[in-house]
Amino acid sequence: AQKVTQTQTSISVMEKTTVTMDCVYETQDSSYFLFWYKQTASGEIVFLIRQDSYKKENATVGHYSLNFQKPKSSIGLIITATQIEDSAVYFCAMREGNNNRIFFGDGTQLVVKP
Amino acid sequence: EAAVTQSPRNKVAVTGGKVTLSCNQTNNHNNMYWYRQDTGHGLRLIHYSYGAGSTEKGDIPDGYKASRPSQENFSLILELATPSQTSVYFCASGDAWGRPSYEQYFGPGTRLTVL
Repeated sequence: AQKVTQTQTSISVMEKTTVTMDCVYETQDSSYFLFWYKQTASGEIVFLIRQDSYKKENATVGHYSLNFQKPKSSIGLIITATQIEDSAVYFCAMREGNNNRIFFGDGTQLVVKP
Repeated sequence: EAAVTQSPRNKVAVTGGKVTLSCNQTNNHNNMYWYRQDTGHGLRLIHYSYGAGSTEKGDIPDGYKASRPSQENFSLILELATPSQTSVYFCASGDAWGRPSYEQYFGPGTRLTVL
């Protein structure tokens, strides 16, 4: 069964620091894709970054990067040099091979303080 | 730029009334999805579609119907709205398996209140 778990409900950090958000997933498929989305205070849901299961290199986009640990079924999101506007809810998600559905975690609330 | 739009953005309905939420995408994606998000919770899949004329049940389909009359449009229908359906509804579109883009793109959401 497919499942995505985010155990951190809320994280608070100081501006300009680095934060890591955790996510573990369950799948029986050997091919899958992992995503992180950001939901802003206005409710907008924005795609941030993707990791393909067959790639060993961690994906990086801007100040977002991933820590993909395949043996642990873990995909952490790392935000470096956090800014106030990074305050949002972050969702981890997974899509299996040959499946058009994406399964979401329950989200982690990030608060960046000045 | 790819876009998913939803209408209405806000809706107040009465219990027992019929509600139709509409979604339009200009991404030329085959797949479209309807989710609901309740306060403090994640996204739960209601219905989805692989293309015009097709609809599939998601994880919480009871009380909802869906319609996909064209590649661009996907509607969510509440035939007999109940207060428990008060929520924020998101539409999303995504490429079919085998296409280069695997992520979903979301609309701005519709806030539905059933009194």
